Amino acid sequence: QQPVQSPQAVILREGEDAVINCSSSKALYSVHWYRQKHGEAPVFLMILLKGGEQKGHEKISASFNEKKQQSSLYLTASQLSYSGTYFCGKGTGNQFYFGTGTSLTVIP
Amino acid sequence: DVKVTQSSRYLVKRTGEKVFLECVQDMDHENMFWYRQDPGLGLRLIYFSYDVKMKEKGDIPEGYSVSREKKERFSLILESASTNQTSMYLCASNQLGEQYFGPGTRLTVT
Repeated sequence: QQPVQSPQAVILREGEDAVINCSSSKALYSVHWYRQKHGEAPVFLMILLKGGEQKGHEKISASFNEKKQQSSLYLTASQLSYSGTYFCGKGTGNQFYFGTGTSLTVIP
Repeated sequence: DVKVTQSSRYLVKRTGEKVFLECVQDMDHENMFWYRQDPGLGLRLIYFSYDVKMKEKGDIPEGYSVSREKKERFSLILESASTNQTSMYLCASNQLGEQYFGPGTRLTVT
C-alpha cells in the first residue's frame, strides 16, 4: 500500500529546480504532499483531489495523473528553507499511507 | 490552534517490557493513526482508528496493539518490546483531509 517515491535523495544549489515523483501500485484517489524538517513533525503542503489537477504553493507546485497512479512535486528556484524530507500520501477510505520519502538538501 | 500531543518525546525501554505510547488530539477528529518512521523507509502505518473502540491494521501491525476508549485518545502498545522496534513513532489525526501530527516519540529498546 505504501507509495514509492523517487529520487530517494537530492542535493540542490540555491535557485535550482527539482522534481519529486510519487507512484502507487494501487489506485490513487487523492494525493497529499508533506514536508518534514529535521527533528520536527511533517507539515501539510497541499492536497490534489482529482486526476489532472495541478496546484501551487508559492514556488512549490504539484500535479496528479490519476490514470498513471502518479503525482509529482515541483520545486522551482529552490531556497535554503526548502530543505527537508518530502512525503507524498494517499487516502483509501479511512486509511492513509505515506510514501517512502525524499530527502532534499539545498546548499548555498 | 489545532493540537496533537504525545506523552513522551524520548523513551528508553528494555527488551521484553510492555510499552505504552499515548496520543491525544483536541480537534474532535474521528480518524487517528500511528506510524513509525525509519530512515529510507518513510512513514509506515501501524494501526489506525476511525471511531471509538474501532481499529484496523495498517501495513506493519505485528508486535503492536492499540486502544481507543475515548475519541480524543489513541494509545499504541508494544506488548513485549524488542530491539527492532527502536524507532520514531508519530501519531496523527485527520478528518476529510489534512493530517495533523504530534511531535513524535523516539523510542529506544535496549
